[in-house]
Amino acid sequence: ETGVTQTPRHLVMGMTNKKSLKCEQHLGHNAMYWYKQSAKKPLELMFVYSLEERVENNSVPSRFSPECPNSSHLFLHLHTLQPEDSALYLCASTPGTGANEKLFFGSGTQLSVL
Amino acid sequence: LAKTTQPISMDSYEGQEVNITCSHNNIATNDYITWYQQFPSQGPRFIIQGYKTKVTNEVASLFIPADRKSSTLSLPRVSLSDTAVYYCLVGDTGSARQLTFGSGTQLTVLP
Repeated sequence: ETGVTQTPRHLVMGMTNKKSLKCEQHLGHNAMYWYKQSAKKPLELMFVYSLEERVENNSVPSRFSPECPNSSHLFLHLHTLQPEDSALYLCASTPGTGANEKLFFGSGTQLSVL
Repeated sequence: LAKTTQPISMDSYEGQEVNITCSHNNIATNDYITWYQQFPSQGPRFIIQGYKTKVTNEVASLFIPADRKSSTLSLPRVSLSDTAVYYCLVGDTGSARQLTFGSGTQLTVLP
């Protein structure tokens, strides 16, 4: 148990659906991250939140919309996704955003877009 | 941004020591070297972090030569459950958000 919980673990959605991924960390960390991991590819950083402020958006399409209501919770709202968006979506947290922080990951949400 | 190079895959047998080397030729002065382990359909898990010389914990050892242009993760007496992808990351002088995961090394432990 890493202290970072993601729900749901698996999600199947159609291209016209709207769904949300949830992440909660119980570590008292101040920064949270969304990563995308497609099959056989490296992890791609999508968004970074520090103290509830978005500090990084790595050119992610607008069909992905993050939300960070407080330092313990992070959401990823999904709408009109494409089949190529099927991937493992991972949430992580770090104590701060300084250099050499250790990332604590959740188990991820395996998303399939039909 | 320091880039890392690792072997794509390695095979080993149970009980053997495994050494995975990572090259990071343009590592910056303030950068640390961090290794993560990832099992299928799970998030990566922190293994070990170091700056220079040798670091050891209950799971692994990390060897870093004086020039810091490479590092070696050493796993003593591996078991089948050590089969995973191992990532070497080098922290940029900016912040954690600039840490980049490469393709990692797929370690397969055979019986």
